[in-house]
Amino acid sequence: AQTVTQSQPEMSVQEAETVTLSCTYDTSESDYYLFWYKQPPSRQMILVIRQEAYKQQNATENRFSVNFQKAAKSFSLKISDSQLGDAAMYFCAYLKTSYDKVIFGPGTSLSVIP
Amino acid sequence: SQTIHQWPATLVQPVGSPLSLECTVEGTSNPNLYWYRQAAGRGLQLLFYSVGIGQISSEVPQNLSASRPQDRQFILSSKKLLLSDSGFYLCAWNAGLNEKLFFGSGTQLSVL
Repeated sequence: AQTVTQSQPEMSVQEAETVTLSCTYDTSESDYYLFWYKQPPSRQMILVIRQEAYKQQNATENRFSVNFQKAAKSFSLKISDSQLGDAAMYFCAYLKTSYDKVIFGPGTSLSVIP
Repeated sequence: SQTIHQWPATLVQPVGSPLSLECTVEGTSNPNLYWYRQAAGRGLQLLFYSVGIGQISSEVPQNLSASRPQDRQFILSSKKLLLSDSGFYLCAWNAGLNEKLFFGSGTQLSVL
């Protein structure tokens, strides 16, 4: 069964600095999708970034980028120039195919220090 | 554009009472539908997912059930709530052409 692990329950970063959140997953599939979701205090789940496993190029979305290491089954999220609004729970997620369940990691709580 | 509606936003129910949470999606057809539960300060636990009408997959044995009576309607139910059913329930959907999940605004359920 697929599993997603986030080994950092809590992280903190100084405003304007860079932080990296870790995620590892377990799968025997070669094609799949990986996501990072953000859940601010409002609890609304917001998609941050998406990576397709067949693409070697790391996804980037403004200040957010990923380091996708397929062989190592690692999918870390880098937040550059951290802002106060980045404070939230961050969830890593895995999806095998379009018609299968999305599996979430336990989350990392990110605090941004002014 | 697609939208997802989930209600109610907040619900307080006594132990042993029934439950019905409803989720509907607009602007798409044949979506995959999901129910997740999030305990306070914890991650998301997948409860049920459905890839079509009448097709329900259960991930965690419990006293909850789900039904999909229509293509874009997903209902979470219980005949008798337990204290441990308290939590934040999120409905979500995704589709074949765009695999990212779209979430509803959630229901905070407190069982007293």
